[in-house]
Amino acid sequence: LAKTTQPISMDSYEGQEVNITCSHNNIATNDYITWYQQFPSQGPRFIIQGYKTKVTNEVASLFIPADRKSSTLSLPRVSLSDTAVYYCLVGDGNTGGFKTIFGAGTRLFVKA
Amino acid sequence: GAVVSQHPSWVICKSGTSVKIECRSLDFQATTMFWYRQFPKQSLMLMATSNEGSKATYEQGVEKDKFLINHASLTLSTLTVTSAHPEDSSFYICSAAGPSGNTIYFGEGSWLTVV
Repeated sequence: LAKTTQPISMDSYEGQEVNITCSHNNIATNDYITWYQQFPSQGPRFIIQGYKTKVTNEVASLFIPADRKSSTLSLPRVSLSDTAVYYCLVGDGNTGGFKTIFGAGTRLFVKA
Repeated sequence: GAVVSQHPSWVICKSGTSVKIECRSLDFQATTMFWYRQFPKQSLMLMATSNEGSKATYEQGVEKDKFLINHASLTLSTLTVTSAHPEDSSFYICSAAGPSGNTIYFGEGSWLTVV
């Protein structure tokens, strides 16, 4: 199982772009990279998932370099409500036994 | 996205009693579900993997006789905390592998307080 490493915390201001990088040096060939957002007393919420290159949806972009040993979650124009903990996970669902091991996550503080 | 629901959202029980938490996949079938516990300001800790129709696989250090997991159908897994003690008080979260198999969706979480 790939272990992930993220910055413990980050600060930003409203309207700025925030980039959170996750290292996963031991990622396996079949592993996907998924990012989640968690607010206090709530379950993690799916943000975005990718395998390689770049993925974009309505809330974020995910950049994955060719070697896939890291990934960067990009949140455009953050607001106060984006203050949360962000987790990156790697895993493979196709071979069965897909289980998610959480790292410490990144606490993002968005200030006014 | 796929929806996973937990019930109850919070529960208070007396020390020594048992309490059950349900996890349902509402719009998809989930052959695999996961159970976590989370202490305040800490990350999620995987407790066990629940497979429909078979015994759960517990992570090291998790007492299988204390945390009973049943996954009797493709949409329901239950976690029963038996003979609960105050140290079992925590936030319990379930998740399920979505239809694609590559994405995990989480329930809302359940707060357990043992008094």
